[in-house]
Amino acid sequence: DTEVTQTPKHLVMGMTNKKSLKCEQHMGHRAMYWYKQKAKKPPELMFVYSYEKLSINESVPSRFSPECPNSSLLNLHLHALQPEDSALYLCASSPDRKVNEKLFFGSGTQLSVL
Amino acid sequence: AQSVTQLGSHVSVSEGALVLLRCNYSSSVPPYLFWYVQYPNQGLQLLLKYTSAATLVKGINGFEAEFKKSETSFHLTKPSAHMSDAAEYFCAINAGNMLTFGGGTRLMVKP
Repeated sequence: DTEVTQTPKHLVMGMTNKKSLKCEQHMGHRAMYWYKQKAKKPPELMFVYSYEKLSINESVPSRFSPECPNSSLLNLHLHALQPEDSALYLCASSPDRKVNEKLFFGSGTQLSVL
Repeated sequence: AQSVTQLGSHVSVSEGALVLLRCNYSSSVPPYLFWYVQYPNQGLQLLLKYTSAATLVKGINGFEAEFKKSETSFHLTKPSAHMSDAAEYFCAINAGNMLTFGGGTRLMVKP
């Protein structure tokens, strides 16, 4: 299994809603990432987990809350989002956090905040 | 500090023509460089990566890239474009502990 699976594929939520994005991989990777990608822009790093511990938070607003329950799962909890948070949210994983390793990306969750 | 710049946000070629997507990098230490491709409504997929073993790197789908330190470049090429190559292409650099993407180049292939 060489896939990173993200659910849901699409999500529409209001500004007062609470929702969660889920990401799963069964490749034994110990590094997992959340990226945000606006239309026609490159992915921007949000969070990095290494061995289930948060190692990088790129100054992301607290309305985004990541969680890594175990080495295969990564969640992104959403609360009180703004319309400008609408974007494609990509999860990725890699065997470790070595600089020469490639990232395996999921297909993303397309989020719309109304 | 590290960064990559992709010249040309849009490139259009005819089917069968040479594909050339440009990427220049900036790094204070020897970098690792990558090219990723993104098809519509998909995540990113690695095409190839440079990790200092060889300056000419061959990737999937007939793509290759050459690392030129003197020009700080890592341009992506393919001898003959196929309709299925139409996608967004991202050059990326890792010279520390974080992967940084360029702005992307949308490749359009005309029949």
